[in-house]
Amino acid sequence: QVQLVESGGGLVKPGGSLRLSCAASGFTFSDYYMSWIRQAPGKGLEWVSYISSSGSTIYYADSVKGRFTISRDNAKNSLYLQMNSLRAEDTAVYYCARRWELLDYWGQGTLVTVSS
Amino acid sequence: EIVMTQSPATLSVSPGERATLSCRASQSVSSNLAWYQQKPGQAPRLLIYGASTRATGIPARFSGSGSGTEFTLTISSLQSEDFAVYYCQQYNNWPRITFGQGTRLEIK
Repeated sequence: QVQLVESGGGLVKPGGSLRLSCAASGFTFSDYYMSWIRQAPGKGLEWVSYISSSGSTIYYADSVKGRFTISRDNAKNSLYLQMNSLRAEDTAVYYCARRWELLDYWGQGTLVTVSS
Repeated sequence: EIVMTQSPATLSVSPGERATLSCRASQSVSSNLAWYQQKPGQAPRLLIYGASTRATGIPARFSGSGSGTEFTLTISSLQSEDFAVYYCQQYNNWPRITFGQGTRLEIK
């Protein structure tokens, strides 16, 4: 069965960095676009970024462009999100999800808290 | 950016009754619309895509309709496990998808 497991979240100070990982299993990872979606506490869902199956096509939400970098390692069935220059408004649960248009499988999420 | 607006924000319905949730797009998204269900402490789950196609394993009591700018999610006979937050999401506007703000379905 399809499984997505995020890790790497935690407490970080404003201006700091974190790298999130998403380990995929149960499907041919290299065949699929992958996405990061976030949800601030008590709020709705916000698309963050996605990456094509080969990694050649990448898009970011304006709110994170220039600060976040998405990448993948198809040999390791893993998706990553490098987050730099973090701000308080980046505090959220970060989910990885399969595909970019209809998000058919989601991980359980990892919480990122940006606070001094 | 396409803005998705859901109504109502909160819907109170009794178990066994029908629930109707609405989603409006600020411009046409054709049938490129999905619905998700999210329970407390859990990740969202895909219910409907293509405005009306149920995802794998989704019960037949969930149905979607609409096209263009107006969409509806109907739950025909509410079960206890259906009380959750529901989000609509458009994927017509490559490359940026957008979500509605959610409708909380609560027990009356």
